[in-house]
Amino acid sequence: QIQLVQSGPELKKPGESVKISCKASGYTFTDYAMNWVKQAPGNGLKWMGWINTQTGKPTYADDFKQRFVFSLETSASTAYLQINNLNIEDTATYFCTRSIDYWGQGVMVTVSS
Amino acid sequence: DVLMTQTPVSLPVSLGGQVSISCRSSQSLVHSDGNTYLHWYLQKPGQSPQLLIYRVSNRFSGVPDRFSGSGSGTDFTLKISRVEPEDLGVYYCLQSTHFPLTFGSGTKLEIK
Repeated sequence: QIQLVQSGPELKKPGESVKISCKASGYTFTDYAMNWVKQAPGNGLKWMGWINTQTGKPTYADDFKQRFVFSLETSASTAYLQINNLNIEDTATYFCTRSIDYWGQGVMVTVSS
Repeated sequence: DVLMTQTPVSLPVSLGGQVSISCRSSQSLVHSDGNTYLHWYLQKPGQSPQLLIYRVSNRFSGVPDRFSGSGSGTDFTLKISRVEPEDLGVYYCLQSTHFPLTFGSGTKLEIK
């Protein structure tokens, strides 16, 4: 069955970086794009962008162009989201989603001094 | 960006009842390829969103026929009939016709 399994919760300090993973199984990884979605505590869903799993080319929504990096390890069917220079507003749950149909369980990232 | 206006914000319902959720877009969601990329999700408490309806009216794998989607252009509706306890949570619409993709702000379905 199709699954997206994400890494565990993270607690970071402002200014640090975090890299979270999304391991896909049950389908051919390169057949579908991978999207990333942010959900701040108690808030709705915000699309961050997507990465072409065939070419590795990322596309970022405007609010996520500066400190956010999408990457792949295709041999491991895994997508990554790295956030650099974390700030308090990055505290959120981050979801990966295969072309918006199947979703990972989400990773809670907490940024606190 | 395409603004997705979802109403109501909160929707009390009796089990077994029927409800409708509206999602309106600030511009047409008809893609140049002729398809309309409007989708519906349910996010249960503590879980990730799950796809219910894709491209306006197509039920995703395993979704019961109590859920139905309709609409066109800028005006879309999700209808839930014979509401069951597992239907409770927050419903979101998503448009993927235009960049960037945008979600509605959510409708919380709760027991009356």
